[in-house]
Amino acid sequence: GQQLNQSPQSMFIQEGEDVSMNCTSSSIFNTWLWYKQDPGEGPVLLIALYKAGELTSNGRLTAQFGITRKDSFLNISASIPSDVGIYFCAGQLAGNEKLTFGTGTRLTIIP
Amino acid sequence: SAVISQKPSRDICQRGTSLTIQCQVDSQVTMMFWYRQQPGQSLTLIATANQGSEATYESGFVIDKFPISRPNLTFSTLTVSNMSPEDSSIYLCSVEASRDRVRFGPGTRLTVL
Repeated sequence: GQQLNQSPQSMFIQEGEDVSMNCTSSSIFNTWLWYKQDPGEGPVLLIALYKAGELTSNGRLTAQFGITRKDSFLNISASIPSDVGIYFCAGQLAGNEKLTFGTGTRLTIIP
Repeated sequence: SAVISQKPSRDICQRGTSLTIQCQVDSQVTMMFWYRQQPGQSLTLIATANQGSEATYESGFVIDKFPISRPNLTFSTLTVSNMSPEDSSIYLCSVEASRDRVRFGPGTRLTVL
């Protein structure tokens, strides 16, 4: 089956730093989604990407749909304490509502 | 956008018992899904809850262990049957609220002793 690998697995950064994480797949997807999960909560959708090469921003967050359709990137600029959490990528095939989730990136901000 | 609630939010259960988790959406949705998130892990799809027909289960999940109901377009239940400590997880309901935008409920944190 399809697998999504996210890297890095965890990040320890200082407030104000920029963050980059990526997700790679063994096969193509038609939609890439990025979610953030806070402790004790369900994942919350951050950004959705629908076309290869697409670059989409949501405030300080920017995500890109890779040209090969097998990868995606998420960048967070000028991190703040509320950015702490686990970030998941998810891939979706056309006509199939099921999501395949990445392994997650845990972001910690060092005071 | 759809607002999803789950009950209970958490529970501690004894081995061998069963727990039914409820998922309520504030609008009618076609697709409802149940995911499992084991401690420190990513999310894995258990099944798609189909209104008016049997749920569609993913590989590794069976109806006897995870029976699902979907009586209408706003409600679904997932039962975790004959529980063991390995079933300790967060169980999440999700819906496809609009084009390719899958939203999640707050989850039910289950601990099996």
